[in-house]
Amino acid sequence: KNEVEQSPQNLTAQEGEFITINCSYSVGISALHWLQQHPGGGIVSLFMLSSGKKKHGRLIATINIQEKHSSLHITASHPRDSAVYICAVRSEKLVFGKGTKLTVNP
Amino acid sequence: KAGVTQTPRYLIKTRGQQVTLSCSPISGHRSVSWYQQTPGQGLQFLFEYFSETQRNKGNFPGRFSGRQFSNSRSEMNVSTLELGDSALYLCASSQYPNTEAFFGQGTRLTVV
Repeated sequence: KNEVEQSPQNLTAQEGEFITINCSYSVGISALHWLQQHPGGGIVSLFMLSSGKKKHGRLIATINIQEKHSSLHITASHPRDSAVYICAVRSEKLVFGKGTKLTVNP
Repeated sequence: KAGVTQTPRYLIKTRGQQVTLSCSPISGHRSVSWYQQTPGQGLQFLFEYFSETQRNKGNFPGRFSGRQFSNSRSEMNVSTLELGDSALYLCASSQYPNTEAFFGQGTRLTVV
């Protein structure tokens, strides 16, 4: 079993929909990261959180330390949100989920 | 402020050769981490450096090595290249370990 599990693996949405991507982990962590990767490879760090909730524009990330679970929400999704979203947890080192490929259709 | 710069962006090498990849962190950042990304394994941690010292190392063979210089720039080296080393190699910099990381565009290595 992977230390970091993401769901769903693939997600297709219509523009304007509310999107949720989930991340569960099995190890003790000091922080959890949400990353965005566009075709071509560049990775952007969206959030780093260790408790509670963070919001940036249309993106919201939450974490429940007791349940070892985090969610990334995208409100009013747009085709430019199409990317792979990766959850990573930091224990001794960063351990990554396999990613969720999001496609938002106009 | 310039971002994380990785050079070269693309590289083709032959099996058995060695390769050196470079990462220049954001100015003021002292921590640099390296990652390998392949379609099969996804992103995997290679190593982390802080103030020229290796803090942590992932589960990769000894053919993979790295170092960090006094100006925080970092290099990673892969010797005796294998076909399976073909991957996107990403580096990330942060002010200190365990703080927000900023990623470079990566070096895409193809071993033929």
